[in-house]
Amino acid sequence: DTGVSQNPRHKITKRGQNVTFRCDPISEHNRLYWYRQTLGQGPEFLTYFQNEAQLEKSRLLSDRFSAERPKGSFSTLEIQRTEQGDSAMYLCASSLVGTTTEAFFGQGTRLTVV
Amino acid sequence: RKEVEQDPGPFNVPEGATVAFNCTYSNSASQSFFWYRQDCRKEPKLLMSVYSSGNEDGRFTAQLNRASQYISLLIRDSKLSDSATYLCVVRNQGGKLIFGQGTELSVKP
Repeated sequence: DTGVSQNPRHKITKRGQNVTFRCDPISEHNRLYWYRQTLGQGPEFLTYFQNEAQLEKSRLLSDRFSAERPKGSFSTLEIQRTEQGDSAMYLCASSLVGTTTEAFFGQGTRLTVV
Repeated sequence: RKEVEQDPGPFNVPEGATVAFNCTYSNSASQSFFWYRQDCRKEPKLLMSVYSSGNEDGRFTAQLNRASQYISLLIRDSKLSDSATYLCVVRNQGGKLIFGQGTELSVKP
């Protein structure tokens, strides 16, 4: 499968614990995006990378959220000291650089904080 | 004000109906525009890009009005399989993709 891959698919964690999600983009894609989606809402922008450079991080995100893409390939999203409000679907997408290029999504990681 | 705004619906239409969705965006420097489709509990997938001259793909027609910062999607002859959430997406000059809330469509027999 050469699509965007996200792991794990599901994560249940206790409030206060740290969690880390991984995204493997389509191999030649140099842009990588992270989004959070809750029921009835569209994907909410979290951050994005071009190669290894993090170009923007949402001002809505607290300092508990951090993302990396150390070698310009896979990316990780870490949430520290999880809260119940962090429960959501976390989506990763990748694309080539270019204004008209399509972004492809992974199947997401569903986080439940109990 | 949200950067991309859509009417969340739901739109409940009978099979065969024509339905139109609208979307507005706030950043006049936005560079490209898309409609994505999202089925329940699935990831979003590209439905079509939106070009300034307007474009059509089968039963689907997309229009862009840069002056009014407005995007539309028209679906003709609705099918049961068109039931989904339709997401308006805008890419800004830096490459960031911004999604609207989505418009839910339910096509009934």
